[in-house]
Amino acid sequence: EAQVTQNPRYLITVTGKKLTVTCSQNMNHEYMSWYRQDPGLGLRQIYYSMNVEVTDKGDVPEGYKVSRKEKRNFPLILESPSPNQTSLYFCASSPAWDSEKLFFGSGTQLSVL
Amino acid sequence: GESVGLHLPTLSVQEGDNSIINCAYSNSASDYFIWYKQESGKGPQFIIDIRSNMDKRQGQRVTVLLNKTVKHLSLQIAATQPGDSAVYFCAENYGGSQGNLIFGKGTKLSVKP
Repeated sequence: EAQVTQNPRYLITVTGKKLTVTCSQNMNHEYMSWYRQDPGLGLRQIYYSMNVEVTDKGDVPEGYKVSRKEKRNFPLILESPSPNQTSLYFCASSPAWDSEKLFFGSGTQLSVL
Repeated sequence: GESVGLHLPTLSVQEGDNSIINCAYSNSASDYFIWYKQESGKGPQFIIDIRSNMDKRQGQRVTVLLNKTVKHLSLQIAATQPGDSAVYFCAENYGGSQGNLIFGKGTKLSVKP
């Protein structure tokens, strides 16, 4: 089944403890992206990647890192999480950078205490 | 329409009625528009799209209308079913790449049986 898989679905952590949210897609998509979703603010893009080893900042990149060493994986790294990073995170992919039809993962609910 | 503050606009309809969800977009240079559906506990799912050279596009039970004069987009759902209950987002793309995809804040559709 074609899908975007994120792990974990739920995560509770403490301020300053490094964490990684994994994202993997099995559709051979070139483009991958991370969003956060907050009440009243909608979906905001954190980082995106147009292909392997090519990443770029979205609208709200501060406090986050990403890497794209392989085409299928696009992990989101929080080196030192803070409470304002408590949010619902979505990974998405599409066939190419100019293909607007995004396929989303099921989300990761992160709480930073 | 778009949300203000922390509460999403809500549309409540009777099963079998038609639903119309509205969206005001921000950038007159946007040339591509998408509607996504997000069910509770899931990631957004692509419904239908439309390019700026069109006024109307129809899918299965859904129609998207674009009024570029007033920068307004609407999603019409025919014969609304309980399974249509979800949050619906519009998104606009003004740069031809995913990095320029801007999401609206969403409208919650509730279908009464």
